[in-house]
Order: sequence, then structure tokens, then C-alpha cells
Amino acid sequence: DTEVTQTPKHLVMGMTNKKSLKCEQHMGHRAMYWYKQKAKKPPELMFVYSYEKLSINESVPSRFSPECPNSSLLNLHLHALQPEDSALYLCASSLIAGVTNEKLFFGSGTQLSVL
Amino acid sequence: AQSVAQPEDQVNVAEGNPLTVKCTYSVSGNPYLFWYVQYPNRGLQFLLKYITGDNLVKGSYGFEAEFNKSQTSFHLKKPSALVSDSALYFCAVPRVTGKLIFGQGTTLQVKP
Repeated sequence: DTEVTQTPKHLVMGMTNKKSLKCEQHMGHRAMYWYKQKAKKPPELMFVYSYEKLSINESVPSRFSPECPNSSLLNLHLHALQPEDSALYLCASSLIAGVTNEKLFFGSGTQLSVL
Repeated sequence: AQSVAQPEDQVNVAEGNPLTVKCTYSVSGNPYLFWYVQYPNRGLQFLLKYITGDNLVKGSYGFEAEFNKSQTSFHLKKPSALVSDSALYFCAVPRVTGKLIFGQGTTLQVKP
């Protein structure tokens, strides 16, 4: 299994809602990532988990809260988002973090719209 | 700091013709360089990477990339384009922390 699975594929939420994005991989990877991507732009790194511990937070607003319950799962909890947070949210994994020649495996993303 | 640049927002090619998507890099030391592709409504997929050794790197779906140290370039190539190659292509370079820095992306449009 070489897939990273993200759910849901699409999400519409109001600014007062709380929702969660989920990501799962069964490749035995110990590094997992959240990226945010606006249309036709490069992905922007948000968070990196290494061995289930948060290792990088790219100064992301606290309305985004990541969680890594185990080595296969990654969640992104959303609360009080703004319309400008509408984007494609991509999860990725790699064998280990912090290694410069590691390739990333990406999920298909969650297209988020904040109304 | 490590960075890459993709000088073309869009490349248009006729099906069956060779294609080139350009990338230049600015790195200190020996570069690691990557190409990823993003098909519509999908996440990114790894195509190929240069670490060291042969300057011509072969990757997935018939793509290859040529590493040129003197020109600081890592152009993506394919001898014969397919309509299904139409996608958004990203060149990328890792920082020492492992964080991947992407270029701005090039949209490849292959017309029948």
C-alpha cells in the first residue's frame, strides 16, 4: 500500500464551525506533514510530525491545531477559520523527517471552503 | 538559502513533440533536486530526483531531467508528449532541515 488517504475530499464550513481533516498512511512512514495550497500555487508547509511528535510549526495560526494520535494517523483540527483559509489541504508522509533526499508521498487533499 | 526558480508559468506543446519544463537552482554545496507533478484535483506525485552521479536522471511516466552544474539548471524533459501529461509541474530543493522548497510551478498544456 503506497497511498496516503485523506478525508473528506471536500469540506464547506462556516467561520464558527469546528471540523477536522484526517490523513492515514500504512507505509510505515514516521514523518507526516500538512501543507496548504492555493490554486495553481506551490504547497506551503504548515506542520511536520516526526515519530508522532510535532517537530516543525511554520508559524501557523492557532485556529489550526494538528494532532498525531499514532504513527499512521494525522489530523488537522479547524476552528474559527477565515475565508482566506479556503484552500487545498494536503497531507504527506515520508520514511523519516529531516533527510534531504527523502521523497514525499502526498494524499489527494481536502478542498476546504470557508464561508 | 536553497531555492529554485521556474521561469515559465505555462508551456504549450503539441502531442508527440518533445517537451521541456525549465528549472534553475540556487544552492550551496551539492544540490538535491526533485520534480513533482500535480494532476487536476490531485495531490503531488514524485517524478524523479537528482542526488549525485549521472547528470541524466530517469523518472516515472517516461520523464527525465538533466542536471547541468555550469548552468545551475535541472530541466524536465520528455521525448514525446502525451495529452495526459497536461498537469502542474513543480521543481523542488530541500533545505538542510529537510523542508522542501518548491518553485512557483509550470502548467504544461499538451494539445492533440
